[in-house]
This record gives sequence, structure tokens and C-alpha cells, in this order.
Amino acid sequence: DGGITQSPKYLFRKEGQNVTLSCEQNLNHDAMYWYRQDPGQGLRLIYYSQIVNDFQKGDIAEGYSVSREKKESFPLTVTSAQKNPTAFYLCASSIGQNIQYFGAGTRLSVL
Amino acid sequence: AQSVAQPEDQVNVAEGNPLTVKCTYSVSGNPYLFWYVQYPNRGLQFLLKYITGDNLVKGSYGFEAEFNKSQTSFHLKKPSALVSDSALYFCAVRDNTGFQKLVFGTGTRLLVSP
Repeated sequence: DGGITQSPKYLFRKEGQNVTLSCEQNLNHDAMYWYRQDPGQGLRLIYYSQIVNDFQKGDIAEGYSVSREKKESFPLTVTSAQKNPTAFYLCASSIGQNIQYFGAGTRLSVL
Repeated sequence: AQSVAQPEDQVNVAEGNPLTVKCTYSVSGNPYLFWYVQYPNRGLQFLLKYITGDNLVKGSYGFEAEFNKSQTSFHLKKPSALVSDSALYFCAVRDNTGFQKLVFGTGTRLLVSP
């Protein structure tokens, strides 16, 4: 997990609330990713960013938003439109489309 | 569309015995294949990758993987399992269209008993 820091480790969301998950990397990687992990479903791509100020929707972007204002940072907001947000969220980064390096994850639960 | 199948939800093996975790893939063009391992409540750690060249790829922690083009398989192997190898293993293939994102399998839980 070295080089990529996700915070917080655990997060609770109330009904109708937006919450933001932090992802910071010091690997000088251009590309960053957000995945959602549910039991038995593997990893599903939410959003990705190839360079600063640019990002693209992945396979399950509905109910989520991101920003990429700095190379090191790629925060994910889980909006109130995401009706089933309980999951383990993983951030990753890479040089181009090469090996992806992952953070330790944030576990989000609904109160 | 690119896809990865990991047909076993769980693999059980005794410590000291060889282990195999299976993966088959479907991709257009040349396959770029990866194996990752995940310990409880942690992120994924890269184990090894196949891009081109030798069909037997060696990776971290004594793991290796065998690429078989005719069977479209990329099975993960280790000659002698350790209890500490118990974890969740993911196979992934790079999507060769568009951004070339990684497509992950659903994961295989490996349990190594003492």
C-alpha cells in the first residue's frame, strides 16, 4: 500500500448525506482510479483520471463524483443519489496503463 | 468485451502442497494479464504480470503463473503453499480498447491449512 494513502479507513453515511473519500499519492503517477469492491463481485471501476483536470466515468459512475485538481489527489464523493453505498472503496494509481498500485481502502457503511 | 473468469470461489490446500488458482480470459488483441493478492481489509498488491515472452512468469513471494494462449488461461501457481499465503487472489486482463482499463475477475479465496 506504500505511496497511496486513503482516508478515513472507516466512514459512516447518514441518509441523504454526501460523503467524500480521500486519496493521495506520492508516486508521481499520472493515472488514478476509484474502484468499488462488493463481496463476490470483484472490483468495479467507478471513475478514472489520466491527467490533472481530466477524468472519465467507469462502469458504475452513477451516484458518484470526483475531481482531479492536483496530480497527487483524486477525491471521491459518494452522493445521496447512490442508494446502495455500503462497500469497500479502493483507490489506485499507475504510470500510464501499467501496474496499478492500491491504497488500503475505505469501508463505507450506512447508518 | 474483455472478461476474466475465476471459476473457483475458494481453493483449499495443505501447507507444503502445491497450489493452483485458475483464471481464464477473453480479450481482443494481445492479452496483458495480471495477478493481485488482497489480505483482509487491505488494498490489492501486485504479484506478477504477463505482457509478452516466456509463458511462465515468475512473481513475488514465490508465485508464478503459466500463460496458455490456446486455452486462454493464466493460472497462478506455487510449488509449496504457506499458511501466510491465505488471502483473496484476483486475476485481471487489460482492456485493449479505449483507455485500456483493467478488468478484474471476481476473486478466489485461498485457504492454506497447517
